[in-house]
Amino acid sequence: EVQLVESGGGLVQPGASLKLSCVASGFTFSDYWMSWVRQTPGKTMEWIGDIKYDGSYTNYAPSLKNRFTISRDNAKSTLYLQMSNVRSEDTATYYCTRAGIHTMGITFDYWGQGVMVTVSS
Amino acid sequence: DIQMTQTPSSMPASLGERVTISCRASQGISNYLNWYQQKPDGTIKPLIYYTSNLQSGVPSRFSGSGSGTDYSLTISSLEPEDFAMYYCQQYDSSPWTFGGGTKLELK
Repeated sequence: EVQLVESGGGLVQPGASLKLSCVASGFTFSDYWMSWVRQTPGKTMEWIGDIKYDGSYTNYAPSLKNRFTISRDNAKSTLYLQMSNVRSEDTATYYCTRAGIHTMGITFDYWGQGVMVTVSS
Repeated sequence: DIQMTQTPSSMPASLGERVTISCRASQGISNYLNWYQQKPDGTIKPLIYYTSNLQSGVPSRFSGSGSGTDYSLTISSLEPEDFAMYYCQQYDSSPWTFGGGTKLELK
């Protein structure tokens, strides 16, 4: 059974940094691209970025690429999201997703349960 | 960025009813369109990929169609477990973008 379990969220002050983790199980982690997606309190979904299966390439939403960094440790089957200089608008639930690549493109085919990040002083 | 406009934002409906949710892209996306369902507990799962292809395990009452800029998700006969949020998402060009969501509510 595929499982994605996020952690590392919580209350953080504006301007601070935070690192989220996502431990994967039930599939060969190093075979898959992985992504982060966030959902605001108003239910808006926003793709943050993704990372190639070997970690050699990352792709980000332009509005976030200067502050957010995605990395992975295939030996630990773990995906990371480093967030820096956080702002109130970063308050959201953050989802780790597996990017299933098929002949007709890409689907976020498995999602974690999400981890909440609240940015407030 | 490609903007995805989803309508309606909420939809009251009854068990057994046929419903359609629409999704319009700000430019053509060549059928590179996925649909997702989010349950009230936050669980998200994919329903349809490449406009009209059902993910494994998704009931056949779900179907997708469309082309160019206009796409839709249809549920032929609502079951209790279908009352949830639905999102479209384009993957024609990065950044991948989502519609604003449609909340399907029991009338």
